[in-house]
Amino acid sequence: KNEVEQSPQNLTAQEGEFITINCSYSVGISALHWLQQHPGGGIVSLFMLSSGKKKHGRLIATINIQEKHSSLHITASHPRDSAVYICAVRSFFYGGSQGNLIFGKGTKLSVKP
Amino acid sequence: NAGVTQTPKFRILKIGQSMTLQCTQDMNHNYMYWYRQDPGMGLKLIYYSVGAGITDKGEVPNGYNVSRSTTEDFPLRLELAAPSQTSVYFCASLGDRSEQYFGPGTRLTVT
Repeated sequence: KNEVEQSPQNLTAQEGEFITINCSYSVGISALHWLQQHPGGGIVSLFMLSSGKKKHGRLIATINIQEKHSSLHITASHPRDSAVYICAVRSFFYGGSQGNLIFGKGTKLSVKP
Repeated sequence: NAGVTQTPKFRILKIGQSMTLQCTQDMNHNYMYWYRQDPGMGLKLIYYSVGAGITDKGEVPNGYNVSRSTTEDFPLRLELAAPSQTSVYFCASLGDRSEQYFGPGTRLTVT
């Protein structure tokens, strides 16, 4: 069983739709990251959360520490949002004096015009 | 700042060859990491470093070596390349507020 589970694995949406990607984890964490990876491209950090909710433009990320669950929402989706979205958690359980990251497998989002 | 840079972008190796993947960051970060990303899998930690002269193994270190002689540079060495090392490799560093910065990746094929 993976320590970080994302759902869905693949998601196709129409432009303008509201999108939700979910992430569940099984260990205590110090922070959770949402990352974006475009096809053939590098990885960009979208959010880092340790509690509550953060918003940046059309993207919203929430985390519920008690339930070990986080969601990434995209409002008014656009074809340029098409990418792989990766959830990663930082935990001392994985070693490292700052806690190393463990990554989910990613959610591949395709937004059709 | 250039951020985290990696070279080369692409490389094809024959089985048994060796190579070094270069990684440099200009943000004066102490923590640096090497990950590999295989299709359908999450990124896996190969090695990490908490500062110059200090390195430690991650989840999948076999077949790799690292060194950290300066704060800026964290090269990853592949000895005796094997097909199982075909992957995309990402170098990353950790900022002062725990934000993670990734390099553009190196796509390596071993045939």
